[in-house]
Amino acid sequence: GNSVTQMEGPVTLSEEAFLTINCTYTATGYPSLFWYVQYPGEGLQLLLKATKADDKGSNKGFEATYRKETTSFHLEKGSVQVSDSAVYFCALLNRGGGKLIFGQGTELSVKP
Amino acid sequence: SAVISQKPSRDICQRGTSLTIQCQVDSQVTMMFWYRQQPGQSLTLIATANQGSEATYESGFVIDKFPISRPNLTFSTLTVSNMSPEDSSIYLCSVEPGRSTDTQYFGPGTRLTVL
Repeated sequence: GNSVTQMEGPVTLSEEAFLTINCTYTATGYPSLFWYVQYPGEGLQLLLKATKADDKGSNKGFEATYRKETTSFHLEKGSVQVSDSAVYFCALLNRGGGKLIFGQGTELSVKP
Repeated sequence: SAVISQKPSRDICQRGTSLTIQCQVDSQVTMMFWYRQQPGQSLTLIATANQGSEATYESGFVIDKFPISRPNLTFSTLTVSNMSPEDSSIYLCSVEPGRSTDTQYFGPGTRLTVL
């Protein structure tokens, strides 16, 4: 079946540090891949997405590349800010839409 | 994208009562979804709500506990029936704006606490 595995949190970084949150997936076919972010007390916001192999999604300084050979979609940011403190969810969606499959979420805490 | 609102934003309810959560979208959408996020957990799909047909429930969720309405292309409700403390969660609706977008956008969520 389809599944998403994220690195466990919480992740604590100092401001301006480099961020990597690992995400790997198992899926039939060729899913679309997503990163969503949940700020404290809020709902989910779409951060970025990629729909096919080697696509790179980017937004607000975050990037992730769809790697079919390693079935991965790792999230990176070169210099994190305190305002990036949130929970990050990796997710996949099979072609034709429907059910999003989420990873367990990774809590990021950025200290000044 | 789509602008999605939910009501109420939060509520505290007594055991055995029911709560109906509303989801309103600013544009017509074919597919709407209801998810549950238990405390400290990830999101789990409860059901898919398409206008003009009965909702499709995921394994572990039943219509008697989570009845859903979808009266038109911009609105849906989820009812959490006969609540127990285990139902304390964030309930989120999401929409897929169009067949070609292959992307879901989420509402702000309803934070439910059952005492």
